Amino acid sequence: GPKVLQIPSHQIIDMGQMVTLNCDPVSNHLYFYWYKQILGQQMEFLVNFYNGKVMEKSKLFKDQFSVERPDGSYFTLKIQPTALEDSAVYFCASSLAWGGNYAEQFFGPGTRLTVL
Amino acid sequence: GDKVKQSPSALSLQEGTNSALRCNFSIAATTVQWFLQNPRGSLINLFYLVPGTKENGRLKSTFNSKESYSTLHIRDAQLEDSGTYFCAADPPPGGNYKPTFGKGTSLVVHP
Repeated sequence: GPKVLQIPSHQIIDMGQMVTLNCDPVSNHLYFYWYKQILGQQMEFLVNFYNGKVMEKSKLFKDQFSVERPDGSYFTLKIQPTALEDSAVYFCASSLAWGGNYAEQFFGPGTRLTVL
Repeated sequence: GDKVKQSPSALSLQEGTNSALRCNFSIAATTVQWFLQNPRGSLINLFYLVPGTKENGRLKSTFNSKESYSTLHIRDAQLEDSGTYFCAADPPPGGNYKPTFGKGTSLVVHP
């Protein structure tokens, strides 16, 4: 099936530093998502992004978080500054559309972020 | 309460047996996805459903939007079916753009 790539697979940083997580979505997809998962628990929606704008964000998407996709390159999640509670696996996903028959989301393998 | 409730939360099956997982929605879901998160943590797409039924090999899924539930049937369970099964619901266009996941069903298939 369609592939979503995430770079890096693991990241260890000190609390207070900035981190950028990178996602290479499926090439013709238009909607992009970030999710947070702690220790194999529930997948928590963070944000979705379309046409250069945040469409929706959850309470977990703190002010220290930002997303962008400059000029069709990587879709990125930046956390600045990081906190201990940001340690989790972050999954990127993309879909062709929202709603209807073409909104199936495809997920990347995740980036495991450890904040020390 | 949970907008997407999955049941059971955990399940143990003997190889070769059948079972069903369920998601109940308290939101107006228009599409449903089922995923398997394998022990390595990767999410595998199983089904994407508008209201109706789909089948793929030993798996079959139904989404009933009027009664707000979806089921995933596993037939002849195999060891490699072990992992956590998540369902996720999308609200209709024009509402919020927030997909909602259930908490998952942890399945162990043993010999």
